[in-house]
This record gives sequence, structure tokens and C-alpha cells, in this order.
Amino acid sequence: AQSVTQPDIHITVSEGASLELRCNYSYGATPYLFWYVQSPGQGLQLLLKYFSGDTLVQGIKGFEAEFKRSQSSFNLRKPSVHWSDAAEYFCAAHETDSWGKFQFGAGTQVVVTP
Amino acid sequence: EAQVTQNPRYLITVTGKKLTVTCSQNMNHEYMSWYRQDPGLGLRQIYYSMNVEVTDKGDVPEGYKVSRKEKRNFPLILESPSPNQTSLYFCASSSGGNYGYTFGSGTRLTVV
Repeated sequence: AQSVTQPDIHITVSEGASLELRCNYSYGATPYLFWYVQSPGQGLQLLLKYFSGDTLVQGIKGFEAEFKRSQSSFNLRKPSVHWSDAAEYFCAAHETDSWGKFQFGAGTQVVVTP
Repeated sequence: EAQVTQNPRYLITVTGKKLTVTCSQNMNHEYMSWYRQDPGLGLRQIYYSMNVEVTDKGDVPEGYKVSRKEKRNFPLILESPSPNQTSLYFCASSSGGNYGYTFGSGTRLTVV
């Protein structure tokens, strides 16, 4: 069955330090991949997406993600975290020929300490 | 402003009392979807729609109904709510292509 896995439920990072959130997918073919962020009490906001081409994609708020086909991964990174980055982050995917079935991982909660 | 609007934002109801959560989008999107969010489980897809009168089950459709009679609206219906449907619900829409889904603000449902 198709799935999106985020191995880390919770990550604590110091302000100014780098952040990396892991995402693995299991699909028959490479899916379209996305990262969303959910701030406390808010809806979901799209950070970035990967469809094809350059495997390093840039997003909003200073985030980037790297697609690695050999590892079935799409990890999210930020070089220097700000206190406002404290939120829950979701990786999501759907098949390239089907926009309907859009699956999410379980999420990673990021806590930023001073 | 382009947006997905859900109503109500908060709802407390009793077991077995039918309810409808409305969802409307003003972006002329073909695709719409409903999710529930539960701690530790992320967002799980309930139903989705590819266009008017075209809907399909997601991963957790049991106990829910949907309809898509107009392109802009995609209501979620709970015919006989039960306490295990207590959750945070999100509606989302997309035009397809490479734009991703736009999400509503969520509806927090409590069934007692």
C-alpha cells in the first residue's frame, strides 16, 4: 500500500541551529511530493513541492527540501531556525496521474528553544 | 481573496444527531477533499472529489458521506455521529497541476 512516513514524531532544536525533518515514501513510481506547515491553531500552509527536475527545491520561509530517489526520501531542511518555526510539519504525496488521493505523513512536531 | 471556507469552526453534538459541515471554495478548483486530523496520526483522507458528481473514498470513509452538486461546495455529512468521530476536520481544494492543495481553517468537532 502507498504510504508516507515521517520517522520523527518530535524534534527539539535551538534557535539559530539547523533543522532537518525526514520523510520517506512508498509508492510504485515516484510521486509528487510536498511539505506543509501547521502553526498552532492554524490550517496548513504549503512550504514547497517537488514534481521533477532539480532534486533540491526551494520553498517559502527559508526552507528547502532534497529529493533522493535511491532512498525514497524527501527531507526538509532549514539552515538557521527562528522561534517562529515552531510548528508541526507534514510531508504529503500523491501519484503523478491522480490528484485525488493525497496522503500525509503523521507529522513532526518542532519545538524551538532559546 | 482566494480561500476555502469551512463552517462551523467549532461544533459540539450528541451521538446520533445528523450534522453537516460545509466547505466552499472560490477558486474554481476541480479537486476537493476532506481530512480528519488526530494526534499522532497526521491527516487522513476521508473522501475526495475530482469534479462535480465525481467522488471517491479516501482512507477512512466509514461513517461519512459527501456530495458534490456544485463545483464550489463539498459538504461533509455525518448521518449518525459517534464519539470516535471527535476530531479536527479540514477541507481542501486544488486545481491540480503543480499547485498543491489549499486548506480551510478547520472544524473542531466533539461528539458526546
